[in-house]
Amino acid sequence: AQSVTQPDIHITVSEGASLELRCNYSYGATPYLFWYVQSPGQGLQLLLKYFSGDTLVQGIKGFEAEFKRSQSSFNLRKPSVHWSDAAEYFCAVATSGGSYIPTFGRGTSLIVHP
Amino acid sequence: SQTIHQWPATLVQPVGSPLSLECTVEGTSNPNLYWYRQAAGRGLQLLFYSVGIGQISSEVPQNLSASRPQDRQFILSSKKLLLSDSGFYLCAWSLDKNQPQHFGDGTRLSIL
Repeated sequence: AQSVTQPDIHITVSEGASLELRCNYSYGATPYLFWYVQSPGQGLQLLLKYFSGDTLVQGIKGFEAEFKRSQSSFNLRKPSVHWSDAAEYFCAVATSGGSYIPTFGRGTSLIVHP
Repeated sequence: SQTIHQWPATLVQPVGSPLSLECTVEGTSNPNLYWYRQAAGRGLQLLFYSVGIGQISSEVPQNLSASRPQDRQFILSSKKLLLSDSGFYLCAWSLDKNQPQHFGDGTRLSIL
């Protein structure tokens, strides 16, 4: 079965600084990978997804993620963080081994200082 | 465009009372539907998913149940709530199992 790890529970950055949120997965074959964002008291919104092809994926709100098979990682990046980016971020992985039902990481809480 | 509606937004229930949370999707046919629970400081726990009317798969044994009486309606129920049922419940849909999921705004359930 697949698993996904987000090693950072909280990340604090200053507004305007760059951001990288880590995500590692465990699965033998190529997975389907997703990043979602959740604002307080709301549902999750899809930021970007990777299925195949170009390993650098562009998403909404200026986010991008890079799939690195050798490191089993799918880290989320943004070159300049805005205060409105403060939220909870979830990485998810779906695989044929799990009947393609996504498994979510525990999330990383992003705090943005002015 | 597709939309998902989930209600109520908040609910306070006594222990032992019944529960019914409803989720409907508009703008698509035969979606895959999901119920998740999110406890504070934790990720999402998949409770149930459905690939069609009357087809429910349970991921976690508990006192909750789900039903799909219509193509775009998904209901989460309980006959007797426990304190441990407190949490944030999210409904989601997708076009297929390996496609991105689209989430409702959630229901905050507090058990007293």
